[in-house]
Amino acid sequence: DGGITQSPKYLFRKEGQNVTLSCEQNLNHDAMYWYRQDPGQGLRLIYYSQIVNDFQKGDIAEGYSVSREKKESFPLTVTSAQKNPTAFYLCASRAGGPIDTQYFGPGTRLTVL
Amino acid sequence: GENVEQHPSTLSVQEGDSAVIKCTYSDSASNYFPWYKQELGKRPQLIIDIRSNVGEKKDQRIAVTLNKTAKHFSLHITETQPEDSAVYFCAASIGGGSYIPTFGRGTSLIVHP
Repeated sequence: DGGITQSPKYLFRKEGQNVTLSCEQNLNHDAMYWYRQDPGQGLRLIYYSQIVNDFQKGDIAEGYSVSREKKESFPLTVTSAQKNPTAFYLCASRAGGPIDTQYFGPGTRLTVL
Repeated sequence: GENVEQHPSTLSVQEGDSAVIKCTYSDSASNYFPWYKQELGKRPQLIIDIRSNVGEKKDQRIAVTLNKTAKHFSLHITETQPEDSAVYFCAASIGGGSYIPTFGRGTSLIVHP
């Protein structure tokens, strides 16, 4: 279970505010991912990064932004442009190359008030 | 892109019964199929996976079968226990390299004592 941490566990935001979710891993993994989870929707990909200083949009990137300045860190910013940001956000990492197993962080539950 | 359908959305069984969850995928190039278990409020955890070069894989009470021709794969849990109660997700992807899995919407398994 260890190796990937997310903070905070719970986050409350007022409408119109940007908020940044933290994701850190000490597994020396190359690839990192952000997913959004809503009831009955499964996991939907927001952004992913295969290497440092590079990232790509996933299926639902609108209203979100990321950076990958360090291998171990992949923060997600939820901007005011995201129309319905209340959700459970999961970060994941993968070693890279031929290794496919993803390891997930504990998640951040974001609520917009 | 890949599309993964998962059924049923909810499955209720008595302790000791078997449970089967089915997924279908659309992209014949997909060759890696993991299954995740997510307990309420927790992170998804990999419980078993299968690659397209095998038809079945077992790990104690859990097994996964794959039918490449029909493009479907299933999770089988035997002798279910209350602690098996959770949401189970399937995923499909082309393994290795730029690994971007597509997830099913999840099955809520309830095991009644």
